[in-house]
Amino acid sequence: RKEVEQDPGPFNVPEGATVAFNCTYSNSASQSFFWYRQDCRKEPKLLMSVYSSGNEDGRFTAQLNRASQYISLLIRDSKLSDSATYLCVVSNRDDKIIFGKGTRLHILP
Amino acid sequence: EPEVTQTPSHQVTQMGQEVILRCVPISNHLYFYWYRQILGQKVEFLVSFYNNEISEKSEIFDDQFSVERPDGSNFTLKIRSTKLEDSAMYFCASSEEMHSNQPQHFGDGTRLSIL
Repeated sequence: RKEVEQDPGPFNVPEGATVAFNCTYSNSASQSFFWYRQDCRKEPKLLMSVYSSGNEDGRFTAQLNRASQYISLLIRDSKLSDSATYLCVVSNRDDKIIFGKGTRLHILP
Repeated sequence: EPEVTQTPSHQVTQMGQEVILRCVPISNHLYFYWYRQILGQKVEFLVSFYNNEISEKSEIFDDQFSVERPDGSNFTLKIRSTKLEDSAMYFCASSEEMHSNQPQHFGDGTRLSIL
């Protein structure tokens, strides 16, 4: 099992739709979880941290299931500017950071 | 908003030459990181640095690589004898605390092209 695995994508969805990204991780000792977005040939930018209780920031909702070692990101009412690659990032106790390969999202007008 | 800055934005170097990539982390951050991203591939962790020493490094970070904080602001990545496969985007990042607790903020990256 890969350390961090994401939906391969790409996702092509119409503007206004709801999009869900899934991510699984292999190390049960992983401590912290994040979603980053990366625009083409740009640096990763933090979208949100993922907390055990789940958290929401506007149109974005992140959830963590430690038992299943699964993280999700939901985008509601998607906008053209949401088009990007979404990266699942997992941090272990030894400060090693693992990035998923990312899922590319295209929002269609 | 404070940001991580990297220079140069693009570096072209002959194979076998040494290259130094520079980063200025956010001023109150204590943890510094280097990552690379080969075109079309995922972001890969290289090294983390705290209190003037390496705290963690990946298998990629072999003897050809070194990091330094030569003064109070710069954080550098040196590749001693570059290979073609070192061509990639190199990202510097910093955080207030160890990434396990705090997310990292990334610079714009340096595109390294080895000829």
